[in-house]
Amino acid sequence: AQSVTQLGSHVSVSEGALVLLRCNYSSSVPPYLFWYVQYPNQGLQLLLKYTTGATLVKGINGFEAEFKKSETSFHLTKPSAHMSDAAEYFCAVSTSGNTPLVFGKGTRLSVIA
Amino acid sequence: EAGVAQSPRYKIIEKRQSVAFWCNPISGHATLYWYQQILGQGPKLLIQFQNNGVVDDSQLPKDRFSAERLKGVDSTLKIQPAKLEDSAVYLCASTVTSANPSSQYFGPGTRLLVL
Repeated sequence: AQSVTQLGSHVSVSEGALVLLRCNYSSSVPPYLFWYVQYPNQGLQLLLKYTTGATLVKGINGFEAEFKKSETSFHLTKPSAHMSDAAEYFCAVSTSGNTPLVFGKGTRLSVIA
Repeated sequence: EAGVAQSPRYKIIEKRQSVAFWCNPISGHATLYWYQQILGQGPKLLIQFQNNGVVDDSQLPKDRFSAERLKGVDSTLKIQPAKLEDSAVYLCASTVTSANPSSQYFGPGTRLLVL
C-alpha cells in the first residue's frame, strides 16, 4: 500500500521568497509521484509528475520537484513566490499507469506581500 | 479540448435525502474516477471505471453510495440516504488508458453540504 505525508498543513512565505513544500511517500514498488494545485472552488490541476529517468522534474508556473529515492521524498520548490501561487498543494503517489492516486492531506500556501 | 465537466457545482440537502452528481469526462478518456474530498483532507478514491466496467470500488460505502457509467462515457454518483459526514467535495477525474503513467484530469467538483 502507498501513503503520502505532507509536512506542514500551512506554509507562509513572503512574495519573492523561496517556496518549499515537503512530501514524503511510502511505496512497496517504484512510485509515480505527482504534485497538484487546487485554487479555491476549483478542481485539481497537475503541476508536475515524476515517472522514471531524470529525478529533477520541471513543471508549470516555475515549480520543480526532485525525486530522492534514498529519502523517499518528492519536495516541491519554486525560487520566487508570486501572490498568484497562493493555493492548496497536494502530493500524490501511484504505482502504475491507471491505478488511483493516493493523496497527502495537502499544504496551504499563503504568500505575503 | 474541453475539460472534465461536473454538475451541479453546489448542493445542499437534509440528512436522509438522496442526491446525484453527474460527470462528463474528457472525450476519449476510458478511465474515470470519483474521489471524495473532505474539508482539510486530500481526495480519497471512491470508485474507478474502465469504460463501463468497475475496476475498483473497495472504498465505496455501498450501503448508501452507488455509481454507474452505463455507456462508458458519462457517469453518475448517487448517495441515498445522505448522512452529515457525507458533506464534502466530490471530484471526478478521467485519464487516457493507453498512457503509462497517465495524468488524471480533474473536474471542478461538486460541493455537497448535508444539514
